Amino acid sequence: DAKTTQPPSMDCAEGRAANLPCNHSTISGNEYVYWYRQIHSQGPQYIIHGLKNNETNEMASLIITEDRKSSTLILPHATLRDTAVYYCIVSLGTDSWGKLQFGAGTQVVVTP
Amino acid sequence: DAGVIQSPRHEVTEMGQEVTLRCKPISGHDYLFWYRQTMMRGLELLIYFNNNVPIDDSGMPEDRFSAKMPNASFSTLKIQPSEPRDSAVYFCASSAGGNEQFFGPGTRLTVL
Repeated sequence: DAKTTQPPSMDCAEGRAANLPCNHSTISGNEYVYWYRQIHSQGPQYIIHGLKNNETNEMASLIITEDRKSSTLILPHATLRDTAVYYCIVSLGTDSWGKLQFGAGTQVVVTP
Repeated sequence: DAGVIQSPRHEVTEMGQEVTLRCKPISGHDYLFWYRQTMMRGLELLIYFNNNVPIDDSGMPEDRFSAKMPNASFSTLKIQPSEPRDSAVYFCASSAGGNEQFFGPGTRLTVL
């Protein structure tokens, strides 16, 4: 699976949008981009995933560049409960016997 | 649905003892994953099952670790004999064969 690069940490003000970047320059054509987050002392939580097109759900938006070498997770209105480690992962997905390989992620701290 | 259930939530044992961690996946999910998380190595996939059959156990650290899934609603991860370096948080996750894995709350294992 392709590897990802994320900044180790970032701060965000409560109520503002949080834009989390991820580089995956070696992603292959059939690999998806997944985002998970892990709030302290809890299990990871799925946020969103995409292949080529931008995606949006109730939690976040995922913007994937046209060449698919990078992506951005957007939390539109960050709250204190969004403080967590955010993981960007590329994988084939379980339907293709893919596996999620978690890296170090980005520690996001939302401040009042 | 109660989500993925793991037991025990905390386990403290002495080196050399056998440890058994238990997981009940979400009903109807056909994939089950076991992960281990430590400060040094982050979140690692140990093994995963599809329809109760082990598919990939390449992440299992050594022969002291074994995992079983006797039916669709129960899985165990056993460590025998346990060692201090096995101390970690062990997560179980399940998936409906799609792209979203649902994680349990984890079992915090301490081997003295």
